[in-house]
Amino acid sequence: DGGITQSPKYLFRKEGQNVTLSCEQNLNHDAMYWYRQDPGQGLRLIYYSQIVNDFQKGDIAEGYSVSREKKESFPLTVTSAQKNPTAFYLCASTEDRGLNIQYFGAGTRLSVL
Amino acid sequence: GIQVEQSPPDLILQEGANSTLRCNFSDSVNNLQWFHQNPWGQLINLFYIPSGTKQNGRLSATTVATERYSLLYISSSQTTDSGVYFCAVEPNNNAGNMLTFGGGTRLMVKP
Repeated sequence: DGGITQSPKYLFRKEGQNVTLSCEQNLNHDAMYWYRQDPGQGLRLIYYSQIVNDFQKGDIAEGYSVSREKKESFPLTVTSAQKNPTAFYLCASTEDRGLNIQYFGAGTRLSVL
Repeated sequence: GIQVEQSPPDLILQEGANSTLRCNFSDSVNNLQWFHQNPWGQLINLFYIPSGTKQNGRLSATTVATERYSLLYISSSQTTDSGVYFCAVEPNNNAGNMLTFGGGTRLMVKP
C-alpha cells in the first residue's frame, strides 16, 4: 500500500544525545515536510524539502537537522542543541506542489529521559 | 507571517448534534485545507478548499476568501468525529509551499 511511514512510534532521548526520526514515502511525492506538535497546540514547520538534495528551514529549525539524499526518505535529527525536544513529530509529503495537498505519517512521540 | 485563528478552541457535543467550526486568517491565501487529527495523532486531509463550498458525506466546508474565513460543518455528529480539527493555509506570496496551521478545535462527541 502507498503511504508515509514514520519510525519509531515512540523514542526516548538521553541528555546530550542526538536522535534520528525516520520518514519514508512510496507515493513518488517530490516535497516532504517535518512538523512539531506540542500538547494542545497546532503544528509548526521545522524543515521542508521540495526536491532531492535541497531543503529549507521552517519556522523552528534551531536544534534540528535533515537530509534528502533520496526522493523517498527525509530523516530528521534532533540534536543535543534542541533543549526542549519532547513533542509529537509529524512528517508529510505533497503530491502536487501547485495544489500542495499534504498527506501525513502516523507520527513519532519523542520524550526526554 | 500570516495568522490563523480557529474557534471555538473546545467543543463538546451530544451524538447527533450539528456544529460549525470557524477559521479566520489574516492575509489572502491560495490554499486552505481542513484536517482531522484522531485521538492517536493521525492527521487526515478532509478538504482542499481555497474558495467555494464542498461536501463529503456529513461534512461540508465553505471558504469566503475575500472575507478571509472558512467554515467546517459537521452534521449528525458521531463519536468517531471526536479529535482535533485543524485549518491550514498557504499565503498568496508564499514561495516555499509552506502551510501555516491554526491552533485547532478540540471536539468531543458524547454517546
